[in-house]
Amino acid sequence: QVQLQESGPGLVKPSETLSLICNVFGDSITNAYYWGWVRQSPGKGLEWIGTIRQSGTTYYNPSLSSRVTMSVDSSKNQFSLKLTSVTAADTALYFCTRQFGSGSHPAVLGYWGQGTLVTVSS
Amino acid sequence: EIVLTQSPGTLSLSPGERATLSCRASQSVTNSYLAWYQQKPGQAPRLLIHAVSSRAAGIPDRFSGSGSGTDFTLTISRLEPEDSAVYYCQQYANSWTFGQGTKVEIK
Repeated sequence: QVQLQESGPGLVKPSETLSLICNVFGDSITNAYYWGWVRQSPGKGLEWIGTIRQSGTTYYNPSLSSRVTMSVDSSKNQFSLKLTSVTAADTALYFCTRQFGSGSHPAVLGYWGQGTLVTVSS
Repeated sequence: EIVLTQSPGTLSLSPGERATLSCRASQSVTNSYLAWYQQKPGQAPRLLIHAVSSRAAGIPDRFSGSGSGTDFTLTISRLEPEDSAVYYCQQYANSWTFGQGTKVEIK
């Protein structure tokens, strides 16, 4: 049973960098799946942030791409998100995700973490 | 960017009734790249349907998806109390975007 668990600071100051980690259980991050991040805020609803594969291939939301970096740490079976220059508009519940199945499109999100709330405030 | 508009905003129906949820795209969604998710309070979204009409593993057959081009529909044939949730459509033909959701309430 694949399980994803997000972790990171719940409070980030404006203009600083938001950093989150997703720990993967029940699966190996080196398998040929796509891993990613989605956020949810009252104002913007669900918003795809980006997707990464263990090989290093990344896809970022064009509206966020200038501020987003994702990476994979195979030794720890986890992947991470960094979002720079945050503002109040980045306050949201952040979910990590995994592609539904190897035969499905990377955007079909079959596995989700429970989400971690990040508030941007001074 | 493809904008998805879902309607109605809220649907209030009784158990056993049929629910029809609409998702309209601002431009054509090619290759049947459309999915539906269910989200209950305090939970992450759950994949129901992908590729317009393919049910994900473990999803009851009372959930079905249809449509093409710019108009898509999620149908719940016989509502159960546990179907009370917010439902989101997602397109992945041009970047990946979600609709704003339809809330289904069970009377």
